[in-house]
Amino acid sequence: GENVEQHPSTLSVQEGDSAVIKCTYSDSASNYFPWYKQELGKRPQLIIDIRSNVGEKKDQRIAVTLNKTAKHFSLHITETQPEDSAVYFCAARGSGYSTLTFGKGTMLLVSP
Amino acid sequence: EPEVTQTPSHQVTQMGQEVILRCVPISNHLYFYWYRQILGQKVEFLVSFYNNEISEKSEIFDDQFSVERPDGSNFTLKIRSTKLEDSAMYFCASSLQTSGDNEQFFGPGTRLTVL
Repeated sequence: GENVEQHPSTLSVQEGDSAVIKCTYSDSASNYFPWYKQELGKRPQLIIDIRSNVGEKKDQRIAVTLNKTAKHFSLHITETQPEDSAVYFCAARGSGYSTLTFGKGTMLLVSP
Repeated sequence: EPEVTQTPSHQVTQMGQEVILRCVPISNHLYFYWYRQILGQKVEFLVSFYNNEISEKSEIFDDQFSVERPDGSNFTLKIRSTKLEDSAMYFCASSLQTSGDNEQFFGPGTRLTVL
């Protein structure tokens, strides 16, 4: 089955800096890669996703890149703000399946 | 904006007891999921459900687990004989479809504590 690795496990940045979180996946047939943000005690919420026919997607301060050859994808947050502090999970979905396989999460702490 | 809802928010039970966790998916969604998250760990897939039957399940989803859609709105997860290691946050999710626009919307979760 699919295996998703996520790094780093924790990331501390100063407000205004950029943050990058990286994930790798094992199933070359995976075709959908969402990123979820989970604030303490709350539900995971989708912040951005990318499909395998696209190399990059941007939504304001958030961008995701996908390298299908290397089987890795990354989340980029620019101009970080304290409210960006949360745990971020990457996930991958295999072709023909509905299951999402999640990475272990990255705790992002943005200090004012 | 429509949301997935779950009840109860917190369930405490004794080891060996049966629990039923309830979810109301978004009304026009067709695919339903249960995930669990042990404290401080990643979200793990348990089961997906479509057209009144299980479409996929993980190794975690053994014989003590079952799911049901008893009516047109509820989606339940039953754990027959709870174990200490079942203590976790259980998230229900739903999606309109599995391909294309596949966003899975998560509920707020039920925290299950097995004593």
